[in-house]
Amino acid sequence: AQSVTQLDSQVPVFEEAPVELRCNYSSSVSVYLFWYVQYPNQGLQLLLKYLSGSTLVKGINGFEAEFNKSQTSFHLRKPSVHISDTAEYFCAVTPYNTDKLIFGTGTRLQVFP
Amino acid sequence: NAGVMQNPRHLVRRRGQEARLRCSPMKGHSHVYWYRQLPEEGLKFMVYLQKENIIDESGMPKERFSAEFPKEGPSILRIQQVVRGDSAAYFCASSPFGQGGQETQYFGPGTRLLVL
Repeated sequence: AQSVTQLDSQVPVFEEAPVELRCNYSSSVSVYLFWYVQYPNQGLQLLLKYLSGSTLVKGINGFEAEFNKSQTSFHLRKPSVHISDTAEYFCAVTPYNTDKLIFGTGTRLQVFP
Repeated sequence: NAGVMQNPRHLVRRRGQEARLRCSPMKGHSHVYWYRQLPEEGLKFMVYLQKENIIDESGMPKERFSAEFPKEGPSILRIQQVVRGDSAAYFCASSPFGQGGQETQYFGPGTRLLVL
């Protein structure tokens, strides 16, 4: 079985500060990794995904994430956040050869002016 | 290209009634996924369908829940005899192919079901 842990349920940060949202996963098989963002009353939008290759993945809106296989982590980072980054962020995995996303419980990023 | 459409966006039902949630995938997408988000929780996979076929229903409750994706028309998630615990946001996602997990799933805005 697979599981995804997002250690921080809420992350408050000031505008233009850097941010890291943590994600760890557990799986007995290889997985693909994803970060999605959910703005209030909207569906989820893909930020970035790791399938293979370089462990540093760049996504939309200036976000990036690094896959660390030994630590089974896929932390999301942004060097300078904007007010508009305020949203819920979900880390997810898909085991190889399946098509279902397994989500963490989410991290609410709140950016203050 | 229109995104994934879900309707209704909000649905209120009394206990014992039926709820029908509709999902129209993006144009050209033939794979549909349903997820449920309970309050303060992440999304949980329910079912994966292709046109006229259920591929994986491992996340569907055994009773009262059913899903279909007919040859023509939207995918339907049906909940019979709703109970308060069914109150949640139900999200549909679609993708053009099922590529064993590599493919991006595009999500709709969700249907928020409230059972009174």
